[in-house]
This record gives sequence, structure tokens and C-alpha cells, in this order.
Amino acid sequence: AQSVSQHNHHVILSEAASLELGCNYSYGGTVNLFWYVQYPGQHLQLLLKYFSGDPLVKGIKGFEAEFIKSKFSFNLRKPSVQWSDTAEYFCAVNDDYKLSFGAGTTVTVRA
Amino acid sequence: GAGVSQSPRYKVAKRGQDVALRCDPISGHVSLFWYQQALGQGPEFLTYFQNEAQLDKSGLPSDRFFAERPEGSVSTLKIQRTQQEDSAVYLCASSLLIGDRGSHEQYFGPGTRLTVT
Repeated sequence: AQSVSQHNHHVILSEAASLELGCNYSYGGTVNLFWYVQYPGQHLQLLLKYFSGDPLVKGIKGFEAEFIKSKFSFNLRKPSVQWSDTAEYFCAVNDDYKLSFGAGTTVTVRA
Repeated sequence: GAGVSQSPRYKVAKRGQDVALRCDPISGHVSLFWYQQALGQGPEFLTYFQNEAQLDKSGLPSDRFFAERPEGSVSTLKIQRTQQEDSAVYLCASSLLIGDRGSHEQYFGPGTRLTVT
């Protein structure tokens, strides 16, 4: 079964700073990769996904992620964060039809 | 409805009680998943339905956990004789169809937070 590791448990940064969250999965083959976000008091929402093609994927709210197959990585980036980006971020990879999630990274953006 | 709904949103149960958690998927979604999310962790897979057929229940932690989807729409997750370690958020997700490549997006409900005292 796939396992997913997220490198940072909690990230604190100021508005306009750049954000990068690391994500690695355990083994290769054909994978579908996802980043989900959970804003305070809300349910999990899809930020972006990679199925095939261009390894640089653009999602909603200015987020992007890069799939690097040789490194089994799918890191999430945003050049300039806003206070409203405060949330918990989960990386996930498909394990056949089900999703395997990382433990999540809490991002706190200070105004 | 517009999204996946779950009820109740919060449930407090005394140890040993039975609980039933309901999930209403997005209309027309064939695939339905249950996940368990412990505090400070990511969601972990419990079980998967395609229409009314339960195709995978490998993630259910014990035989006290039981899920059904009798008409291929609403699903219920039942936990018998609840224990403190069952305290978690239970998430339901649905998708149009999941092939063996998992290439369809799963839409998540708000979850049911279960606290066993």
C-alpha cells in the first residue's frame, strides 16, 4: 500500500511570503496525486490534482504543484500567501481506487 | 443536493453504545467511500462501495464496524459497542466512478465528529 509523508507539521508565515509544502509517496508506477485543503470549520476541498501530462499543475487560488517522478514527490507551492490561506493541507495519492493521505500540514498566515 | 452531506455532525456516545452515521452522496455518484480521521492525522480509508456493492472493507478496524448502502445511494456506517479509540471524525466521500486508476475526484462531506466517553 502507498504511504504519504508530509515534511512539515506546522508552518507559520507572514502575508506575502512564499509557501512550499513537501510531499513524498512511497512507490512508483502510475499514480494520481492530489492536494486537498481544509479551511477552519469547513470540509476537505480539492486544490489541485495530477493525473498525467505536464508535471507542473496549477490549481485554484494561485496554488501549483510539481510532480517529480524520480523523487516520488509532489510539492505544493504558492508564491505569495494571504491570511485566508490559513488552513490544513493534505497530500494524497491513489492506492488503486482509494486515497492514501499524509498526516497534513497546518499553515498559519499572520496578517 | 449540492454536495455530500453527513449527519449528525457531532455525536457523543458513552462507551458501549451503538452509533449510526449517515452519508448522503452527490446525486448520481456511483462510488462512495468512508474514511476515519483521528486527531492530528490524515484521513484513513475504511470501506468502498460501488452502487450497493461493498467492494472493499479492508480498512474497517474491527468487526464492530459495519457499513451498508442498500439502494446504492445513502450509506450508513454503524459502530457497535463503541470504544474510546473509536473517537475520530468519520468522513464520507463520493465520486462519479472510480476505475482501477483512481482517476476521478472524490468529493468529501463535512464529517461526523464522534466522541466516545
